[in-house]
Amino acid sequence: KAGVTQTPRYLIKTRGQQVTLSCSPISGHRSVSWYQQTPGQGLQFLFEYFSETQRNKGNFPGRFSGRQFSNSRSEMNVSTLELGDSALYLCASSLVSSGGTDTQYFGPGTRLTVL
Amino acid sequence: SQKIEQNSEALNIQEGKTATLTCNYTNYSPAYLQWYRQDPGRGPVFLLLIRENEKEKRKERLKVTFDTTLKQSLFHITASQPADSATYLCALGGGFSGGYNKLIFGAGTRLAVHP
Repeated sequence: KAGVTQTPRYLIKTRGQQVTLSCSPISGHRSVSWYQQTPGQGLQFLFEYFSETQRNKGNFPGRFSGRQFSNSRSEMNVSTLELGDSALYLCASSLVSSGGTDTQYFGPGTRLTVL
Repeated sequence: SQKIEQNSEALNIQEGKTATLTCNYTNYSPAYLQWYRQDPGRGPVFLLLIRENEKEKRKERLKVTFDTTLKQSLFHITASQPADSATYLCALGGGFSGGYNKLIFGAGTRLAVHP
């Protein structure tokens, strides 16, 4: 099975712009989560989508948003970019089982640099 | 708020020895705990998951213990090899309202195995 794919892999934007990142989960996986990774804060949970609905949300401002499509692919959007948004954005997919302990499989990430 | 602490210093060991990494947490009762490996510039790779009612889990050269009384997990790599050099992340999950696919990550411990 193909792994989680993220596009683009690298992105350079300027302050005030907006950006859209894309994530294709592993085939059959229905849950997609997004994380931000920075040297100072480490890996932080942004939000999770399941069946096109946001099911969980982290402590990020409203400039960060996302959505999920019927084929489970997901996008996240950051509006009005700030310098502090420079980070590695990681997407993770998982099956949704009844056990409640789904393993998350991460993609390679999108490296966003805000100038 | 929840807090996770991992060895902040890099761990340097000789090839063939056992590496032991620590994960301590406070203000949280996770339903499960996961360990991931991350190489520079790449997404985390899942290694092991252990549930709150399990004391120990093994997979090949890897062993993880989970003590919910001490609020601590230990991660062991036996017969370590230079290829095991990476950053190891501890992540707690479950127990959040609204769903279980939300992970809280520690900052990670960098392991260097020397020949």
